[in-house]
Amino acid sequence: EVQLVESGGDLVQPGGSLRLSCAASGFTFKNNWMTWVRQAPGKGLEWVANIKSDGSEIYYADSVRGRFTISRDNAENSLYLQMNSLRGGDTALYYCARIIQPPDYRYYIDVWGKGTTVTVSS
Amino acid sequence: DIQMTQSPSSLTASVGDRVTITCRASQSISRNFNWYQQKPGKAPKLLIYGASTLQSGVPSRFSGSGSGTDFTLAISSLQPEDFATYYCQQSYSAPWTFGQGTEVEIK
Repeated sequence: EVQLVESGGDLVQPGGSLRLSCAASGFTFKNNWMTWVRQAPGKGLEWVANIKSDGSEIYYADSVRGRFTISRDNAENSLYLQMNSLRGGDTALYYCARIIQPPDYRYYIDVWGKGTTVTVSS
Repeated sequence: DIQMTQSPSSLTASVGDRVTITCRASQSISRNFNWYQQKPGKAPKLLIYGASTLQSGVPSRFSGSGSGTDFTLAISSLQPEDFATYYCQQSYSAPWTFGQGTEVEIK
């Protein structure tokens, strides 16, 4: 069974840092692009970042670029999100998810974790 | 950035109704377009990818159409388990963007 399990969410003060982790199992992790998507309380989905299977391509939302860093360890089947200079607007449930890249390059997200909660507040 | 505009933002329907949700992209995105369903307290679930391909295991009452800038999700006969929020999403170019969501409620 394909599974993604996020961890690392916590209550943190504005300006603080946090590192989220996502443990992948049930598929060949090193073959897939991966993504982080967040959802603020009562709000819609917001894409955060993508990382290619080998880590050679990375993309960020404007709202997090320069503050967040996505990375992966294919040997450990793990995805990470290092979050620095956190703001109140970063408060959200953070989902780790698997991207499928078909031959026609019409990417889509097919598996999501349950999410980990980040709360930024003093 | 490509903006995705969904309509309506919410709708009320009865079991057995046909329901359609539309999504418009601010520029052409070919068929790099997906639909997700989210129920309260749960992670989103992929329904349709590539604008019209039904994800494995998704009931055939769901269908997707469109290309370029205009896309539609249709539910042919609404079932109790379909009451949820639906999101469109473009994967044509970064930053990926989602629509604001359509909440489907019971009449």
